[in-house]
Amino acid sequence: EIVLTQSPGTLSLSPGERATLSCRASQSVSNRYLAWYQQKPGQAPRLLIFDTSSRATGIPDRFSGSGSGTDFTLTISRVEPEDFAVYYCQHYGTLETFGQGTKVEIK
Amino acid sequence: EVQLLESGGGLVQPGGSLRLSCAASGFTFSTFGLSWVRQAPGKGLEWVATISGSSGSTHYADSVKGRFTIFRDNSKDTLYVQMNSLRVDDTAVYFCARPRIQLLGYFDLWGRGTLVTVSS
Repeated sequence: EIVLTQSPGTLSLSPGERATLSCRASQSVSNRYLAWYQQKPGQAPRLLIFDTSSRATGIPDRFSGSGSGTDFTLTISRVEPEDFAVYYCQHYGTLETFGQGTKVEIK
Repeated sequence: EVQLLESGGGLVQPGGSLRLSCAASGFTFSTFGLSWVRQAPGKGLEWVATISGSSGSTHYADSVKGRFTIFRDNSKDTLYVQMNSLRVDDTAVYFCARPRIQLLGYFDLWGRGTLVTVSS
C-alpha cells in the first residue's frame, strides 16, 4: 500500500501569493495516478486535478499539478480568497489512499 | 442535475448496525462504479469500499473488511453500505463518491455526506 505524506501541514499566505503544496509517495506512483482535492468546512471534497496534471472540469487555470515517481506538487499561481481550504492528494489505480491534507490559511 | 445524496446516518451504540443509502440522479447509474469514503471529525479522508456497476466486483479497506458490505440496487439508482459490529472509531461523515476511468479511480462526483456517530 502506498502511503502519501503531504507537506507542509499548514501554509499561511496572503491573497495573490503563490502556493506550493507537496505530496510524497512511499513508492513510485504508476501511470501518474495522482489526484488533488479541495475541501472547505462542512463541504464534500472537490476534484481539482487528476492524472497528476489534468485539470477537472471548471477548475481555474491558476491551479496546476506536476510531478512524477514519488514527488508531486499542486501549485496555485495566485491564491484567491475562495482558495483558503484544505487540500488532499490521492493515489488511485490499486487501493485508494489519501494524504493527510494541507491547510491553506489566510496570513 | 448530476448528484449523489446520502442518508441513514445517526447515533448507534458500539457493536450495533446501521445501513446507509446513497441516491443517485442525473447519470446512468448502472454504468458507473461507486464508492464510500469517510472522514472522522477533524481528520482526513479514508476510502472505505467500492462496487462495480454490475455488482460483480467489490473492494474494501482492511479497516472495514468483514464488518461492512457495499451493495447497490440498479433498479432504484441507489447505493448502500451495511455496517455491522460498529466501533467508536467508525464515527465519521460518510460520503458516497463516483470513481472515474477505472473502478479504483479518482472521484469526480461526491455527495454531501451523512454523519455516523458510534457511542454509548
